[in-house]
Amino acid sequence: QSVLTQPPSVSGAPGQRVTISCTGSSSNIGAGYDVHWYQQVPGTAPKLLIFGNSNRPSGVPDRFSGSKSGTSASLAITGLQAEDEADYYCQSYDSSLSGWVFGGGTKLTVL
Amino acid sequence: QVQLQESGPGLVKPSQTLSLTCTVSGGSISSGGYYWSWIRQHPGKGLEWIGCIYYSGSTYYNPSLRSRVSISVDTSKNQFSLKLKTVTAADTAVYYCASLRGYYYDSSGYPQGGWFDPWGQGTLVTVSS
Repeated sequence: QSVLTQPPSVSGAPGQRVTISCTGSSSNIGAGYDVHWYQQVPGTAPKLLIFGNSNRPSGVPDRFSGSKSGTSASLAITGLQAEDEADYYCQSYDSSLSGWVFGGGTKLTVL
Repeated sequence: QVQLQESGPGLVKPSQTLSLTCTVSGGSISSGGYYWSWIRQHPGKGLEWIGCIYYSGSTYYNPSLRSRVSISVDTSKNQFSLKLKTVTAADTAVYYCASLRGYYYDSSGYPQGGWFDPWGQGTLVTVSS
């Protein structure tokens, strides 16, 4: 069981908007630690998508956005494209475990 | 820009020690500012942080693996390494090295927060006789 909880899968049609949730607790997200998001295309390494809750690295389209509230965070993808089909992971820090933690991942299917 | 590349045996026998090396290019490990990390992904599963090291040698490990893990750094070769002892089939996974950045220190001097970027391409290690 992952420390951060994500839905196993989400789907959407091209052009639509989807959101992926990441739920934590008072020792990680709720403690004020930032949430970061990664995109992993099958067979490749994870790639940083969002850092510091809502910041996009250079080169990441503005179709991707992140937010955080309380003990949860969300990744939103607008204008879905076929190339967005991948697994998405959230990540934060947990003070009880004294370590960095990930969500279980969400598989995005573009219909 | 910084690039990371994992190397090491792809097959390890049960009860033996898994050893991997990550070579950093495009930047110096000794320049500081980053923690050099190991993360693994079991087949078809999520990501698990294993541990990290600063160029000075300070190490931090996942409590669930602490008794079996050792991470070291060789600044002369711009490399850092992972050793995981007494492996079982449950240690079969893709092992990634990555750079932890954006962290900060708590009042005890322990690093917290931050994100992993960039990542190496990953290397599959299978534990089997």
